[in-house]
Amino acid sequence: EPEVTQTPSHQVTQMGQEVILRCVPISNHLYFYWYRQILGQKVEFLVSFYNNEISEKSEIFDDQFSVERPDGSNFTLKIRSTKLEDSAMYFCATQSGRGVNTDTQYFGPGTRLTVL
Amino acid sequence: AQSVTQLGSHVSVSEGALVLLRCNYSSSVPPYLFWYVQYPNQGLQLLLKYTTGATLVKGINGFEAEFKKSETSFHLTKPSAHMSDAAEYFCAVTFNAGKSTFGDGTTLTVKP
Repeated sequence: EPEVTQTPSHQVTQMGQEVILRCVPISNHLYFYWYRQILGQKVEFLVSFYNNEISEKSEIFDDQFSVERPDGSNFTLKIRSTKLEDSAMYFCATQSGRGVNTDTQYFGPGTRLTVL
Repeated sequence: AQSVTQLGSHVSVSEGALVLLRCNYSSSVPPYLFWYVQYPNQGLQLLLKYTTGATLVKGINGFEAEFKKSETSFHLTKPSAHMSDAAEYFCAVTFNAGKSTFGDGTTLTVKP
């Protein structure tokens, strides 16, 4: 069964550094999402992406964050200058469409980001 | 705005007992509803979903959930708990198949 993959599985960085989290969507999926989960808390929506542009973003997704599909396959989340409070598990999710039979978001295994 | 409330952050049952995890949502339009399970240090695994049609949906690992529009609920049940069911469970809602909004999660503990 096709899966969403994410790299790296764990990223440790110093405060103020830039990080790029990578996601390989399921082939032919058209909708892409990033979520985060701070340790012990619920999963929070960050951003959705379709047709090479952001379709929706949350209040968390400020100017420090950006997303892109640089090569038409990988979907990346960049944090320009990391803060301690960015430490979390980041999940990528992809979805094939928006109809009744294509409505499921498939989640990757996550990248654990630790900011020191 | 869409929202999800999971009643009970921790639920403890004995092995073999009924599991009931509660989820209520708020919505002004028909929702799509999902239950996910998360094992320690792992990602989110889809248990089951409701979009349209039959209101009682069956998922993996013997779980099922019933969509009750009048009660705005989507409670998750399993007739007989197994030790391997111990995990964090999240209810989530989407509208028009867009972003997912998650509940706070319920930690299920299964006692031998």
